[in-house]
Amino acid sequence: EIVLTQSPGTLSLSPGERATLSCRASQSVSSSYLAWYQQKPGQAPRLLIYGASRRATGIPDRFSGSGSGTDFTLTIRRLEPEDFAVYYCQQPGTFGQGTKLEIK
Amino acid sequence: QLQLQESGPGLVKPSETLSLTCTVSGGSISSNSYYWGWIRQPPGKGLELIGSIYYTGSTYYNPSLKSRVTIAVDTSKNQFSLKLSSVTAADTAVYYCARLVSSDWYYFDYWGQGTLVTVSS
Repeated sequence: EIVLTQSPGTLSLSPGERATLSCRASQSVSSSYLAWYQQKPGQAPRLLIYGASRRATGIPDRFSGSGSGTDFTLTIRRLEPEDFAVYYCQQPGTFGQGTKLEIK
Repeated sequence: QLQLQESGPGLVKPSETLSLTCTVSGGSISSNSYYWGWIRQPPGKGLELIGSIYYTGSTYYNPSLKSRVTIAVDTSKNQFSLKLSSVTAADTAVYYCARLVSSDWYYFDYWGQGTLVTVSS
């Protein structure tokens, strides 16, 4: 089973700053199969990125994904108040443990 | 607009079987482009894939749960279901159903709102 390890566990930033979230896989993952989700309290996860770098429908362009092999990154260019949430990466069969993005 | 809705008991006794149904509206569960999945999230914890099913009945189960999980599809009702046997307190979680794109890509694009299932006597 491929294990996804996300870092940091918690990221404290201010609105307007840039967020960089990491997802590292224990084995190589096809870029086509790496997705990112955002989850706010009491809500279901929302798809942000699929295929490592493709934004889902309706996702603002301040969200971008990159990476290949075992190292993937989700970047949020200028944080808006509504971006503070928990973020998960996923590959077939497994999710990362999540990164909590909190307001500093 | 595709919608998914989970339904089933919110309280299950230890050692019994958890049963949930996901009703899909606004689209056909028999589409040959999609799979349908169950994901759970214990309170305060992360997401865990339980398994998925294609409309033909082909399934994938998380190896850690495989011995206790059955996922089935009812195309006539546009529903799919989850059964998890021999539950313990560790199975207490919010259970989500979702649509899975699994072809050139792999991602869940539509999710139900989730339903909390508590295992307790």
